[in-house]
Amino acid sequence: AQKITQTQPGMFVQEKEAVTLDCTYDTSDPSYGLFWYKQPSSGEMIFLIYQGSYDQQNATEGRYSLNFQKARKSANLVISASQLGDSAMYFCAMRTNTGNQFYFGTGTSLTVIP
Amino acid sequence: DTGVSQNPRHKITKRGQNVTFRCDPISEHNRLYWYRQTLGQGPEFLTYFQNEAQLEKSRLLSDRFSAERPKGSFSTLEIQRTEQGDSAMYLCASSRRGGDEKLFFGSGTQLSVL
Repeated sequence: AQKITQTQPGMFVQEKEAVTLDCTYDTSDPSYGLFWYKQPSSGEMIFLIYQGSYDQQNATEGRYSLNFQKARKSANLVISASQLGDSAMYFCAMRTNTGNQFYFGTGTSLTVIP
Repeated sequence: DTGVSQNPRHKITKRGQNVTFRCDPISEHNRLYWYRQTLGQGPEFLTYFQNEAQLEKSRLLSDRFSAERPKGSFSTLEIQRTEQGDSAMYLCASSRRGGDEKLFFGSGTQLSVL
């Protein structure tokens, strides 16, 4: 069975500091993709970053980086230099190559404190 | 690229009524997904289309739910005989086959069943 686990319901970070949001996953499929999405209070899901299971290097997109530890089945999101606009819900998701659907975690609510 | 469009943004209905939502995906995207999201939870998979073919449907989905994607363009999601438990945000997403296949989401339709 495919599963995504996010154990941090809520996180706080000081503006300009870095923060790590945790994500672990479970799959027996050797080929899969891991995604992070941001959902502000407006409701729209915004794609942040992608990591393929065979990618040798950790993905980076601007202030976002993905700390991919395959043996531990973890795909933590690191946000550097937090901004007030980063306050939102963050969802980790996985898609396996044998299936069509994306599996989402329960999300982490991030609040950036000025 | 005008993004994924969903209509209506909000729908209030009485229990027992039928409702229909529409999703217009990004024009060159051949994959279309419907998800449901309740407060404090991550998106839950409902169904998936590749072009006009509905390839996967969640086993959790009641027979009251039906989705179509005629001609592989826009899609509709209909809920018959709505129940209060159907109250949720209904999200549509599309993707292009190949590459990371990341999902692009619409703003969602918020359904309230009274």
